[in-house]
Amino acid sequence: ETGVTQTPRHLVMGMTNKKSLKCEQHLGHNAMYWYKQSAKKPLELMFVYSLEERVENNSVPSRFSPECPNSSHLFLHLHTLQPEDSALYLCASSQYGYGYTFGSGTRLTVV
Amino acid sequence: GENVEQHPSTLSVQEGDSAVIKCTYSDSASNYFPWYKQELGKGPQLIIDIRSNVGEKKDQRIAVTLNKTAKHFSLHITETQPEDSAVYFCAASIGRTGTALIFGKGTTLSVSS
Repeated sequence: ETGVTQTPRHLVMGMTNKKSLKCEQHLGHNAMYWYKQSAKKPLELMFVYSLEERVENNSVPSRFSPECPNSSHLFLHLHTLQPEDSALYLCASSQYGYGYTFGSGTRLTVV
Repeated sequence: GENVEQHPSTLSVQEGDSAVIKCTYSDSASNYFPWYKQELGKGPQLIIDIRSNVGEKKDQRIAVTLNKTAKHFSLHITETQPEDSAVYFCAASIGRTGTALIFGKGTTLSVSS
C-alpha cells in the first residue's frame, strides 16, 4: 500500500446511525487532516492532527468526532448527521505542512 | 478570517494553447502555495508547489509564479493536452496552524482537441 488510503469509498447512512471513516497514510508523515468537499464550495478544513495531537478544530459540529491513535491512522466518527452533511470527506497527510497528499475520499450520503 | 480567491471558475482552451489560473490570498503569514489537480472520482493530486522564498518554479509544461508583495500566485500550463482537463485548486498555508492549507474554489479546465 502506498500513499493515503481511505475506507469506505462510499457510505450511505440514516440520520440516527453511527459510522466511522478510516484513513491510513503510508508516507511516514507527521500531520493528518480531515477536509469536507461539497459542491460549489472550497475544500473546508475540519480537523488537524500534528504529531498525534489535535491542533485545530475548525468550528465543526460535535456530531463529527475525530480520533488519531497514532501517526499513521486517522478516524472520523459520525453520529446523528444531517442531510446537509452529505459530501466527499477527504483525508490528507503532510510532513510539517509540506508534500500534502490526499486520499481518494469517502462519498457520504445522509438519508 | 483567512481566504483564497481563485479565478476563473471555468476555463476552456484549445489543445496546444496555454492556460493561466490566478489566486490571491489574505494571510500575510502564508509561506507555502501548492496547486492540486482533481479528476472525477479521485482526491486532489499535488502537481506543483512553491515556497515564499522563491518567485517562480517550473516543472516541464507547468509553472507557478508568486508575488508576495501583492499576495498573488498563478499557475501556467503550456501546450495543453486533453488529459489536462480537470478541476485545479490553489491553496495557501494558514499561518496560525503552521501546517494546514486553505483552498480556492477551483477552476474547471476543459481542453478540446
